[in-house]
Amino acid sequence: AQSVTQLDSHVSVSEGTPVLLRCNYSSSYSPSLFWYVQHPNKGLQLLLKYTSAATLVKGINGFEAEFKKSETSFHLTKPSAHMSDAAEYFCVVSVPSGGYQKVTFGTGTKLQVIP
Amino acid sequence: GAVVSQHPSRVICKSGTSVKIECRSLDFQATTMFWYRQFPKQSLMLMATSNEGSKATYEQGVEKDKFLINHASLTLSTLTVTSAHPEDSSFYICSAREKAGGRTDTQYFGPGTRLTVL
Repeated sequence: AQSVTQLDSHVSVSEGTPVLLRCNYSSSYSPSLFWYVQHPNKGLQLLLKYTSAATLVKGINGFEAEFKKSETSFHLTKPSAHMSDAAEYFCVVSVPSGGYQKVTFGTGTKLQVIP
Repeated sequence: GAVVSQHPSRVICKSGTSVKIECRSLDFQATTMFWYRQFPKQSLMLMATSNEGSKATYEQGVEKDKFLINHASLTLSTLTVTSAHPEDSSFYICSAREKAGGRTDTQYFGPGTRLTVL
C-alpha cells in the first residue's frame, strides 16, 4: 500500500519570498510522484512529475521538486512567490497495482501569498 | 499539454432526478479515465476507474448503481448520478490518462463539475 502525507495544511508566505510545500510518501514500489495545483472552483493542473529519471524535476511557473529516496520526500519549492501562486497544492503518488496505476492524493496544502 | 474537458461545469437539479456529466480528452486518446469527488476544503476522493470498452472499477464504498460510469470511446467517459439527493452535491472531477505508448503515468484533469441537488 502507498500513502502520501502533506505535512502542512496551510502555508503563508510573503510575495517575493521562497515557497516550500512538503510532501512525504510511502510505497512498496518505485513510485511516480506528481504535484498538482488547484485554483478555487477549478480542476487540477499538473505542475511537475517524477518518474525515475532526474531526481530534481523542474515544472511550470518556476516550481521545482526534488525526489529524495532516503528521506521518502518530494518537496515542492519556488524561489520567489507570486500572488498568482495562491492556490491549493496536491502531492500525488502513483504505483503499479494489478496491471494498473493506483493513485493516491495527499490532503492538500493551501498556499497563501501575502502582498 | 493534454486537455480534458467536462460538461457541464455547473448543474443544479431537483432531488430524485438523474444528472449526466461528460468527460472528454480533446487532443489525446485516453485508455483510462478516472472520476473523483471533492468535498469542500478536502482532497480528491477516487470514485472509480474506467477503461475504454470495459466495466468501471469502483472504489470501496462507492455505489455502482448510483454512480453509473460509461467509457464508450477513447475520448469520452460519462458519469451519471442517478436519483440524486442533496448529499450527492459535490465537485466532481474527471481525469484521463493517455493510451499506452504516450505519457502513460500522468493524469490530466478536467475543470470539474459543480453539482448542487436541491
